[in-house]
Amino acid sequence: EDKVVQSPLSLVVHEGDTVTLNCSYEVTNFRSLLWYKQEKKAPTFLFMLTSSGIEKKSGRLSSILDKKELFSILNITATQTGDSAVYLCAPVSGNTPLVFGKGTRLSVIA
Amino acid sequence: NAGVTQTPKFQVLKTGQSMTLQCAQDMNHNSMYWYRQDPGMGLRLIYYSASEGTTDKGEVPNGYNVSRLNKREFSLRLESAAPSQTSVYFCASSGQGIGINQPQHFGDGTRLSIL
Repeated sequence: EDKVVQSPLSLVVHEGDTVTLNCSYEVTNFRSLLWYKQEKKAPTFLFMLTSSGIEKKSGRLSSILDKKELFSILNITATQTGDSAVYLCAPVSGNTPLVFGKGTRLSVIA
Repeated sequence: NAGVTQTPKFQVLKTGQSMTLQCAQDMNHNSMYWYRQDPGMGLRLIYYSASEGTTDKGEVPNGYNVSRLNKREFSLRLESAAPSQTSVYFCASSGQGIGINQPQHFGDGTRLSIL
């Protein structure tokens, strides 16, 4: 059975802090891993990671994948209140639809 | 460009009533999905349609039925609503199908309350 575990489940930080969110997975026929940000409504796509060790960056957000150890991390530097959201990861398997983790709820306080 | 459109946005039902949630996408995507999201449970897949004419059960299909009406539309039906089905429902679509390296695009959700 496919498994996705995200940690921590929730996190409260102050503006300017750096945070690291974790996603570990066990899926058959792994293809890639997706990260999403969910604020009040629909999840919005952040990154797709297909290769180990290659960092994807978008502004203050970055992510990296380790296919050997079966995990990914999402880093956010110099956090802002607008980064407050639930962050979801989902591995893409060749056999089945996406299985999402339960998410990490990030709260950034001024 | 609308993307994925869900209707209605909110609905309150009484136990035992039936309801169909509508979803349409204008991105010419092959695959469509229905999820429910409950506090602390993340997104759980109810049903999906890998391509027009096919539907499959996901993780939590009991109490639901789906119809892939055409390539654009994928509806979710609750035949006899129960309080346990109170949730936020998301529809999503993706371009090439299951297991392909493409992200899913989500609608804004339908908040459904069953009394």
